Amino acid sequence: EAQVTQNPRYLITVTGKKLTVTCSQNMNHEYMSWYRQDPGLGLRQIYYSMNVEVTDKGDVPEGYKVSRKEKRNFPLILESPSPNQTSLYFCATNRGGSYNEQFFGPGTRLTVL
Amino acid sequence: EDKVVQSPLSLVVHEGDTVTLNCSYEVTNFRSLLWYKQEKKAPTFLFMLTSSGIEKKSGRLSSILDKKELSSILNITATQTGDSAIYLCAVSYIYSGAGSYQLTFGKGTKLSVIP
Repeated sequence: EAQVTQNPRYLITVTGKKLTVTCSQNMNHEYMSWYRQDPGLGLRQIYYSMNVEVTDKGDVPEGYKVSRKEKRNFPLILESPSPNQTSLYFCATNRGGSYNEQFFGPGTRLTVL
Repeated sequence: EDKVVQSPLSLVVHEGDTVTLNCSYEVTNFRSLLWYKQEKKAPTFLFMLTSSGIEKKSGRLSSILDKKELSSILNITATQTGDSAIYLCAVSYIYSGAGSYQLTFGKGTKLSVIP
């Protein structure tokens, strides 16, 4: 079954404690991205990756890092989380090129105290 | 400024009503416009539109793109309580800085259908 998985699904943490949210896809898609969703602000892209070892900033990259060492995985790293990073995070993939139907992961709800 | 603007931001209707959701955009190198439905989980894909004037239809939902007006509408006829959700519009365009296809979302329209 084609799917995008994220872990953890829920996380409560404290300011400054490094964390990683994993994203994995089994569709062999080249393009992966991370979004955060906040009330009144919609979905905003954090980072995206067009292929292995190719990543670039989206609209709101500050405070986040990513890596793409393998095609299937695209972890999101918060080196020093702050309360303003409390949000709902989605990983998404698509085949790239002109195929832009995004397949979304189930979401990770992060709370930073 | 916002590249993708949806209206209205929220809407409350009664079951059986017909609703029209709007999406306007302002991007260069436009490729496609996509509609998603989001209930209490991840967005799910509804339609992708690339050509003006060609209606896409799925059951009671339909959508059409007007590239001259830089806009799209999503129609839902005979609404049901199960249609209650946030409807997201997204626009795909070529981002000249990276030469890649980018996808930008609007803030969404929250539709509430009451019995």
